[in-house]
Amino acid sequence: AQSVTQPDIHITVSEGASLELRCNYSYGATPYLFWYVQSPGQGLQLLLKYFSGDTLVQGIKGFEAEFKRSQSSFNLRKPSVHWSDAAEYFCAVGEWSGGYQKVTFGTGTKLQVIP
Amino acid sequence: DAGITQSPRYKITETGRQVTLMCHQTWSHSYMFWYRQDLGHGLRLIYYSAAADITDKGEVPDGYVVSRSKTENFPLTLESATRSQTSVYFCASSEAPGSGNTIYFGEGSWLTVV
Repeated sequence: AQSVTQPDIHITVSEGASLELRCNYSYGATPYLFWYVQSPGQGLQLLLKYFSGDTLVQGIKGFEAEFKRSQSSFNLRKPSVHWSDAAEYFCAVGEWSGGYQKVTFGTGTKLQVIP
Repeated sequence: DAGITQSPRYKITETGRQVTLMCHQTWSHSYMFWYRQDLGHGLRLIYYSAAADITDKGEVPDGYVVSRSKTENFPLTLESATRSQTSVYFCASSEAPGSGNTIYFGEGSWLTVV
């Protein structure tokens, strides 16, 4: 069965600093991978997704993620964090199961941005 | 562009009562989902629907009932609410099967069972 691990529950960075959020997955075949962001009191919004092709994926709000098969990782990065990036971030892996795309989410990483 | 609308957004109910969470989407997406979000568990799939009148269990279906008589609506019913069902519930939708279709989420329904 597929699974996703986000080892960091909480991360604090200074505004303007770079950011990397870690995500490791477990899946036998080539996975579909996603990063979602959730602001307080809101639903989840897709940042970016990977299915095939270029392993470096660009997303919205200046985020990017790199798929590394050898490390089973899909880490999210941003070169310069803004205060508005404070939110919770979820990595997810998808697979086809029973005729639909089953998506398994990690437990999330909460990002705090300090001035 | 209304997207996905959930109601009620906030609900407090008593143990043993029946509660229905409503979900309406305006995109005519084939697939709809109900997730619950709990601290330390991330999001877990309760039920999903591939089309009108087609539903199936997800990871944590016990205690929940769904129906989908129309493509745009996917209500979730807690037949006899328990404290363990206190959670944030998210309805979501996606297009017909394709490689990695994006799942779009509603804003959530906060349910407290006392």
